[in-house]
Amino acid sequence: GAGVSQSPSNKVTEKGKDVELRCDPISGHTALYWYRQSLGQGLEFLIYFQGNSAPDKSGLPSDRFSAERTGGSVSTLTIQRTQQEDSAVYLCASSLGGGTYGYTFGSGTRLTVV
Amino acid sequence: GQQVMQIPQYQHVQEGEDFTTYCNSSTTLSNIQWYKQRPGGHPVFLIQLVKSGEVKKQKRLTFQFGEAKKNSSLHITATQTTDVGTYFCASGGSQGNLIFGKGTKLSVKP
Repeated sequence: GAGVSQSPSNKVTEKGKDVELRCDPISGHTALYWYRQSLGQGLEFLIYFQGNSAPDKSGLPSDRFSAERTGGSVSTLTIQRTQQEDSAVYLCASSLGGGTYGYTFGSGTRLTVV
Repeated sequence: GQQVMQIPQYQHVQEGEDFTTYCNSSTTLSNIQWYKQRPGGHPVFLIQLVKSGEVKKQKRLTFQFGEAKKNSSLHITATQTTDVGTYFCASGGSQGNLIFGKGTKLSVKP
């Protein structure tokens, strides 16, 4: 597509429920990233996929967080047993690869855990 | 791991004044990227600097990469209300992901 598409744009969930966030990157971009941004804060790296390589999961804050990327394209970030501190905007980005190309970000999913 | 520190955290200027944000690292950076995030929006890529001492301009914006590749700056000449937002610097992490600074939030008073 023309840009990075994320869905849903907003999600309100009850504490303890599982949520799935979806990211559809730009076609041809081999790298896909998930970041988290709390209100008024910076961008916290979560996970990075590059081609067929094993993902870099070093930023995932707990084992309740997981992500997969199917067919080198669409990615899903799953948060199990959500907690209130998980409330944030989850941003997905894609690029041509590595840290040497500019990222194109999606509009994000605003997650609110009540 | 590689970190980039940004200052100031906030900057309030009168429209027409200049603005500068700085990005510093204790280690040599392979590159530096700059992003702008408008209020309520998502970060948008502005530019990448790679070479020591590199200077690039985009209209009223001037980007510099230090000679030692440990610091960078973004300077906006004669700010406008459309410049409002948070400016982030970022540099490549060891695994290929970008590490972002905490950003400088710019407000412009008309």
